[in-house]
Parts: sequence; C-alpha cells; structure tokens
Amino acid sequence: GIQVEQSPPDLILQEGANSTLRCNFSDSVNNLQWFHQNPWGQLINLFYIPSGTKQNGRLSATTVATERYSLLYISSSQTTDSGVYFCAVDNYGQNFVFGPGTRLSVLP
Amino acid sequence: EAQVTQNPRYLITVTGKKLTVTCSQNMNHEYMSWYRQDPGLGLRQIYYSMNVEVTDKGDVPEGYKVSRKEKRNFPLILESPSPNQTSLYFCASSMFWGQLAGDLGDTQYFGPGTRLTVL
Repeated sequence: GIQVEQSPPDLILQEGANSTLRCNFSDSVNNLQWFHQNPWGQLINLFYIPSGTKQNGRLSATTVATERYSLLYISSSQTTDSGVYFCAVDNYGQNFVFGPGTRLSVLP
Repeated sequence: EAQVTQNPRYLITVTGKKLTVTCSQNMNHEYMSWYRQDPGLGLRQIYYSMNVEVTDKGDVPEGYKVSRKEKRNFPLILESPSPNQTSLYFCASSMFWGQLAGDLGDTQYFGPGTRLTVL
C-alpha cells in the first residue's frame, strides 16, 4: 500500500518563528489532507489539498502531486500552534493512510 | 451543532471482557471509519463503512468488529480485548469517499477520541 512519511518528527520553535513541515507519499493520490491534533487530543482538519496551494491565515499548504510531496507552512507561530501535525492520503481507494506526524512545540 | 460523538471517552477493562465503543454523527454522512492512534505510528485505519450495511477492513482490522445498521451509528466491537489493543481510538465521518471526495474537496470530521486500556 501507499507509504506516507513526514519530517521532521519533532520541531521546537520560539514564538514568532516560521516553520515548514513536509509530507512525502509513495504513490499518486486522490485526496490529501493536513490535520492538527492539539495537546488535548482533538483532531482538526486544516487543509484539503491534493494539488496546488491554499492559504488560511498564518497557515498555508502546497502540494506538488507530480513529485509526491506536500508542505505545510506556519508563519509567526503561536503557542496555540503546538501539537502534532498529520498528513493523510487516499490513493483512489476507500481507506485513508496517515503519516506518523510532526510534533511541534512553540515556546513563549 | 454538527458533530461526531464517541462513548465512552475513557475505559479501563480486563483481557477478554467484550466491549463496545459507540460512534454517532448528526451530519447525514455516508462514510464513517475507525482509527487507532499509537505513539510513533500515527493513526491507522481499522474499519470503514461507505453506507448502511457496507463495511470493509482498513489496515489493522484484527481483533475488531463493526456494524452499520443505521446511517448515523458505527459502533466498534472488541469481542475479546487484549493488552495490545490499548490505544486511543477515533471515529470519523465524511459525506463522500474516494474519487468523489477528492473531486469535491470533502474532509473528514473526527470524534473526541476514546482512550482504552486493557489490563
């Protein structure tokens, strides 16, 4: 099946810094989503982005489908951005495959 | 309020004692699924359902059963729980799946999670 890798596994930032999280996948995908899991365990969808670029406030994401990767950009990070960021893909099937996640800690 | 609910939120049980974790959504979604989350492994899909009476295995179905008798409910059943099923479980739902979800930009909505400990 499709493999999903994320990097870095852990990231520590000072408040106000920018960061880039990466998701690599091993096959073409029909659906790619980024999720944020906050420190209380809640999972929130950030972007649906199988290709192209989207922006939502301080967050933006770019997926280059032909090269099988997606990037999540966080600008001017805040302590509330802390948590784990997952990408998940669906390669034209019915099931989703999640990456292992990037754990982000934003320090005040 | 549109939401996915799970019960119980926390459960401690013993090996071999059958249990059911309920999941319900109020968005009339077609697609529902169960995931387990373990440290370092991300979320792995256990089972999914594309509609009433239609279910299929995900990546880690062993030791689990599901049923979809009503559109809104998708319970997860552990007939004989074992310690290796200690995990954080999430239920999720979406209106569409596969190609159509991709074409329409559909996203999954997650429940709050159920933390299960099997002793």
